[in-house]
Amino acid sequence: NAGVTQTPKFQVLKTGQSMTLQCAQDMNHNSMYWYRQDPGMGLRLIYYSASEGTTDKGEVPNGYNVSRLNKREFSLRLESAAPSQTSVYFCASSEAIIGERGRQPQHFGDGTRLSIL
Amino acid sequence: AQSVTQPDIHITVSEGASLELRCNYSYGATPYLFWYVQSPGQGLQLLLKYFSGDTLVQGIKGFEAEFKRSQSSFNLRKPSVHWSDAAEYFCAVGATMYSGGGADGLTFGKGTHLIIQP
Repeated sequence: NAGVTQTPKFQVLKTGQSMTLQCAQDMNHNSMYWYRQDPGMGLRLIYYSASEGTTDKGEVPNGYNVSRLNKREFSLRLESAAPSQTSVYFCASSEAIIGERGRQPQHFGDGTRLSIL
Repeated sequence: AQSVTQPDIHITVSEGASLELRCNYSYGATPYLFWYVQSPGQGLQLLLKYFSGDTLVQGIKGFEAEFKRSQSSFNLRKPSVHWSDAAEYFCAVGATMYSGGGADGLTFGKGTHLIIQP
């Protein structure tokens, strides 16, 4: 199926370890996003990328870095994992391009379930 | 800043009964509004969206939503629910992320968990 692919689906880390969550989309979308989902909190935006080569902070960027490697791929890195980063992480993409508002919907991957001990 | 409130954390409905999930938003301009559904262990799937025009919006799976500007609401409805509708439902408002008019992010409500009774 075409869409947004996230790897890995599950991961357990120890505090202080680093890892990169991978995301790729094959819909030729310009914009890509990383969200985290926590119980009772809904989804919160971590970082987004309006186009290849650009990234911007969202609502909760602390402790994360991102790379928009090319138009297809947008990775999220935890440099030194903390228990507070235990969450489900969703990558999303959309048709929206700079200057165009409202061109959602956003297409979501199935998520990466990350536990940090 | 924009915000979304879904007042009901859980809702239980009998199979075949009608459904209404509430959503209220706060946004300074014309909002772009969305409803998503999330089944257990899955990502989010778009049910419907409102950008402009007709305030009653039809979506997939028999859902509809009505935009009421005077009430700042965008409630989701379905005339007759099926057991397969049991899931988490999220309302979201779209807004420009920065003044340069770049990509729109979404602000989500905290979700409503729908339980279907046989």
